[in-house]
Amino acid sequence: LAKTTQPISMDSYEGQEVNITCSHNNIATNDYITWYQQFPSQGPRFIIQGYKTKVTNEVASLFIPADRKSSTLSLPRVSLSDTAVYYCLVGPDDKIIFGKGTRLHILP
Amino acid sequence: EPEVTQTPSHQVTQMGQEVILRCVPISNHLYFYWYRQILGQKVEFLVSFYNNEISEKSEIFDDQFSVERPDGSNFTLKIRSTKLEDSAMYFCASAHGKRGGRQETQYFGPGTRLLVL
Repeated sequence: LAKTTQPISMDSYEGQEVNITCSHNNIATNDYITWYQQFPSQGPRFIIQGYKTKVTNEVASLFIPADRKSSTLSLPRVSLSDTAVYYCLVGPDDKIIFGKGTRLHILP
Repeated sequence: EPEVTQTPSHQVTQMGQEVILRCVPISNHLYFYWYRQILGQKVEFLVSFYNNEISEKSEIFDDQFSVERPDGSNFTLKIRSTKLEDSAMYFCASAHGKRGGRQETQYFGPGTRLLVL
């Protein structure tokens, strides 16, 4: 499984765009990049998944450069309710191996 | 939107007792999982289940743990003789299947908070 590295924590303000970058230098050809969000005392929730270039949905965008050794989750115009832990995951695998994630704290 | 449900939301038990945690996965999903999260720590994979058998299990999933899909809707995790260190939030997840060689999105339930005294 490819190891991922992401910042332990980030702070931002309401209304700002937040970009969380994840490094995955050993990503394999058949690996996908997936981001999950977890609020306190809740289960993780799928946000977005991509293989290359850019993916956008109603919640976020995911930017993946050509070498796929990193990816950036972009949350447009965050609100207080976006305060959560964000996990970057890489692999095609059945099981999800969660890291510590990035604890995003949105300030008013 | 369909969702994974889990019961009970909270369970308190004495050390050495058996507990059964219940999950109802999304109805057309074929892959089922249990994870746990000890307070303040990472979410940890326990076991995956497909076609009525365990596909993969972690080192945490020892002989004290078992899973079952007793009917077409429920998916259960049994801990035979609970230990203090089993206190955690237990999450069930399900996925529809595989597409193009990759696992489809896993949908997580709200969790059962287990406290072993």
